[in-house]
Amino acid sequence: DSGVTQTPKHLITATGQRVTLRCSPRSGDLSVYWYQQSLDQGLQFLIQYYNGEERAKGNILERFSAQQFPDLHSELNLSSLELGDSALYFCASSSENFNEQFFGPGTRLTVL
Amino acid sequence: EDQVTQSPEALRLQEGESSSLNCSYTVSGLRGLFWYRQDPGKGPEFLFTLYSAGEEKEKERLKATLTKKESFLHITAPKPEDSATYLCAVRDNFNKFYFGSGTKLNVKP
Repeated sequence: DSGVTQTPKHLITATGQRVTLRCSPRSGDLSVYWYQQSLDQGLQFLIQYYNGEERAKGNILERFSAQQFPDLHSELNLSSLELGDSALYFCASSSENFNEQFFGPGTRLTVL
Repeated sequence: EDQVTQSPEALRLQEGESSSLNCSYTVSGLRGLFWYRQDPGKGPEFLFTLYSAGEEKEKERLKATLTKKESFLHITAPKPEDSATYLCAVRDNFNKFYFGSGTKLNVKP
């Protein structure tokens, strides 16, 4: 157990809908990272927050947005969902060194 | 463009048969190279961070090394419990992370 929690574990929804994925980092970690893992694309970095501020942005679509709240939990919002958005979404957290990331168990999103 | 390439895609070893996994990278300003292990249906598990060419790190049967263009993950006398997908990633000057597609290792008893 990495200490990072993600909810929900599974999510099934329809195209065009909007969903919110939630992540709680390890106790004391200020950085949160979001990743998408699909069979054909591997693990793709989406975005990183540090203590509530956006720090780095990867290949995150405009339909996706994220935020980190004062209690350090983070949410990833996915809107206007498409079939291709079906994937495993991982959250990770790290301490101030930004490098050693601890990954959560992931949320499996299925868009029908 | 920053990218990470891992080889081989899959590797089958007999228990005790040592081997190496390769990770080659191109990145604008390497701020760290990382190795992770991922079991099916689970999140990646951190193994090592390497920062500069010539650096080496060890953990049990695993040893990671780094040159200016690539990294190797050496597995000495592997056991069946070492079976997993091994992922390599780099962090660039802009704090972005790029992962390779992984090497799926299968160690037979």
